[in-house]
Amino acid sequence: EVQLVESGGGLVKPGESLRLSCAASGFPLSNTWMSWVRQAPGKGLECVGRIKSKTDGDTIDYPVPVKDRFSISRDDSKNMMYLQINSLRTEDTAVYYCTIQGMRWGQGTLVTVSP
Amino acid sequence: DVVMTQSPLSLPVTPGQPASISCRSSQSLVHSDGNTYLSWLHQRPGQSPRRLIYKVSNRDSGVPDRFSGSGSGTDFTLKISRVEAEDVGVYYCMQLTHWPPTFGQGTKVEIK
Repeated sequence: EVQLVESGGGLVKPGESLRLSCAASGFPLSNTWMSWVRQAPGKGLECVGRIKSKTDGDTIDYPVPVKDRFSISRDDSKNMMYLQINSLRTEDTAVYYCTIQGMRWGQGTLVTVSP
Repeated sequence: DVVMTQSPLSLPVTPGQPASISCRSSQSLVHSDGNTYLSWLHQRPGQSPRRLIYKVSNRDSGVPDRFSGSGSGTDFTLKISRVEAEDVGVYYCMQLTHWPPTFGQGTKVEIK
């Protein structure tokens, strides 16, 4: 069964960094286009990055608003994907989901950025 | 970025009655490969989104047939033929044709 489990969220101060993890099971991450999507409290959904499959070159793309602070990586040996967020801002407070291009979603991990 | 505009944003419904949500995109969602990558998601309170419909009109496995999607180009519709209590929550349209993927604002469906 396909399953995605995020972890690594928590309470952090502005300017700090955090690495979120997405553990996949039931399929190989390396064969799949994966995205990170966030949802601020009471708000809508926003894609913050994508990594393509190995056959599509492992290309990583970021939307302009986050491209200087967000970094996606993948460890195929562990079937894990990561989202590194640097210089955290209060507006980064959100639940962060990993998703197979919207088809399947994890349960999310909450990141709270507060002084 | 492609702007996705949903209407209405709030939809009170009576169980057993039909419901319809509109989604319009700021540019055509027809991909160069000929597909239209427009999906509909459902998010219950406190839960992750769940995809219901992909490529405009294809229901995901396990999605009741009371849900249907239609449309083309820039105008799309999600219809629920007979609303049930479990259908409450927020519905989002999502486009994956253009980078970055973008979402509608969400339509909150509640039971009258």
